[in-house]
Amino acid sequence: AQKVTQAQTEISVVEKEDVTLDCVYETRDTTYYLFWYKQPPSGELVFLIRRNSFDEQNEISGRYSWNFQKSTSSFNFTITASQVVDSAVYFCALSSDRGSNYKLTFGKGTLLTVNP
Amino acid sequence: DGGITQSPKYLFRKEGQNVTLSCEQNLNHDAMYWYRQDPGQGLRLIYYSQIVNDFQKGDIAEGYSVSREKKESFPLTVTSAQKNPTAFYLCASSMMGAILAGGPGETQYFGPGTRLLVL
Repeated sequence: AQKVTQAQTEISVVEKEDVTLDCVYETRDTTYYLFWYKQPPSGELVFLIRRNSFDEQNEISGRYSWNFQKSTSSFNFTITASQVVDSAVYFCALSSDRGSNYKLTFGKGTLLTVNP
Repeated sequence: DGGITQSPKYLFRKEGQNVTLSCEQNLNHDAMYWYRQDPGQGLRLIYYSQIVNDFQKGDIAEGYSVSREKKESFPLTVTSAQKNPTAFYLCASSMMGAILAGGPGETQYFGPGTRLLVL
């Protein structure tokens, strides 16, 4: 069975601090994809990144960076110099093609609050 | 502007009533999905559709029904059989479903959601 664990339920930081959101996943498949989504208070999920299981290169996009480590089954997300607008719930998700029953398996999310 | 629209933003259901949530996309995506989100929880898949006139049950399909008569539209009906319908409902779409694309990597894009409340 697939599983995504986001152990941090809530994180609170002060603006300009760096913050890392943890994501640990479980799957028996060799081909899988990992995603991060942001859910601001408005409710809509905003896609941030997709990573496939064969690409372990870390990625940086502006203040966002992602660290994918297959050895520890982790796909952590770091926000550098956090801003108030980063306040949201962040979801990590996993998909694979086991049994051709494709779906996204979501973690329960981490609520990030960035205080001015 | 291309995107996914959901209506209404808020919906109230009376006891024993069926209600239908609308989801429309103009992204020319083949696959569409319905998820349910409860407070403090991740999203759970209700139904998904890879192509027109075909759809599959997700993890929590009981008490829900869908149709996919047009590529752009994937309405969700919450029936009276759904005993705990209060939740936030999110619709998503992706360019191709996993089976057609040969893999699960297509990114899903989400609509703004509908909040369903029971009177």
